[in-house]
Amino acid sequence: DGGITQSPKYLFRKEGQNVTLSCEQNLNHDAMYWYRQDPGQGLRLIYYSQIVNDFQKGDIAEGYSVSREKKESFPLTVTSAQKNPTAFYLCASSSMSTSSTQYFGPGTRLTVL
Amino acid sequence: GQQLNQSPQSMFIQEGEDVSMNCTSSSIFNTWLWYKQDPGEGPVLLIALYKAGELTSNGRLTAQFGITRKDSFLNISASIPSDVGIYFCAGLYSSNTGKLIFGQGTTLQVKP
Repeated sequence: DGGITQSPKYLFRKEGQNVTLSCEQNLNHDAMYWYRQDPGQGLRLIYYSQIVNDFQKGDIAEGYSVSREKKESFPLTVTSAQKNPTAFYLCASSSMSTSSTQYFGPGTRLTVL
Repeated sequence: GQQLNQSPQSMFIQEGEDVSMNCTSSSIFNTWLWYKQDPGEGPVLLIALYKAGELTSNGRLTAQFGITRKDSFLNISASIPSDVGIYFCAGLYSSNTGKLIFGQGTTLQVKP
């Protein structure tokens, strides 16, 4: 089946630890995106990448890092510098020919203990 | 910065009723998207609108791209319990990057 997968579904980490969230897509999409969602709020863009080995900061990039070594993969690292990391993280991808139509993965809920 | 105002924030309706929600912006968008999110899941695309004035249906859902390009609405007819969820509008403000701006969401609850 084609789609976007995120793992794990739930993630717990201790304060001060870095953690990496996985996002993989087999839709042959060029662009990939990471969003953060807090309770009762909309989605805020963290980072995005339109092509392999290139990525751009979104609106709330501080405390996060990404890499795009393969077209299919766009992992997000939540670093210890992120002051309030507990949130629901969503990955999305889109074809550059219809770049507005983003398709989302199932999300990862990160809880910092 | 770019902002989308989505209303209402929440709705509690009886099964069978029609529902309407809308998004407005101070800026012009070239594309409007409507998504539905179930609790603990990723948003699922419902309808995409690419042209001012466009009216598009998907089953019981109908959405329109406002003629001014600054607003869009979503209607759900004859609501059923599985319509429960959070509905988001999103506008494309940079076709080069594909960056979307999302509304705050409308939480819909349907009473059987």
